Amino acid sequence: ETGVTQSPTHLIKTRGQQVTLRCSSQSGHNTVSWYQQALGQGPQFIFQYYREEENGRGNFPPRFSGLQFPNYSSELNVNALELDDSALYLCASSLGPTGGETQYFGPGTRLLVL
Amino acid sequence: RKEVEQDPGPFNVPEGATVAFNCTYSNSASQSFFWYRQDCRKEPKLLMSVYSSGNEDGRFTAQLNRASQYISLLIRDSKLSDSATYLCAVTVPTGTASKLTFGTGTRLQVTL
Repeated sequence: ETGVTQSPTHLIKTRGQQVTLRCSSQSGHNTVSWYQQALGQGPQFIFQYYREEENGRGNFPPRFSGLQFPNYSSELNVNALELDDSALYLCASSLGPTGGETQYFGPGTRLLVL
Repeated sequence: RKEVEQDPGPFNVPEGATVAFNCTYSNSASQSFFWYRQDCRKEPKLLMSVYSSGNEDGRFTAQLNRASQYISLLIRDSKLSDSATYLCAVTVPTGTASKLTFGTGTRLQVTL
């Protein structure tokens, strides 16, 4: 196992609601990246947090936001949920933000928006 | 054009077969290259990093061709347990960050 944990494992919400997903990084890792994986697709980069600051963002609207805490755990918040937000949300931790650092994934949170 | 493209699959092969997956990437600034394995309804797990000199881990061999912007994965002596989706991933600089960009994955089904 990677030592990266996520909660909850599954979640059902309705359109318009807000959701918070949580991730605990592997010990010693200061960087957390979040990904969205729709059915049949590869994971898509949402954003990355490094030392409590957003450190890069993919093509996701501002209603996707996040936080990183002093212990390097992280949250992903999604406001005004849409049906297309139904997906597996993955967080990955790494030793640093650069391309050479391997990212290790948590088990994911499966979100269903009705 | 997608940033990372993979063979569409699915690949159905008998046990013991050799199978090769290919992946191309469009951004010449890509820095690092990986193959991940993803089982159904699970998270991606790192299979191996890919280096310019090529690298091997047991039955798995990965190759990188920077000039052609091409990555490959070869699996020899396929086992039933190799059945999974194989994701090619490259890191692309995004400001001060490096994001992992994935292909859509290639599904492998190994049969008796």
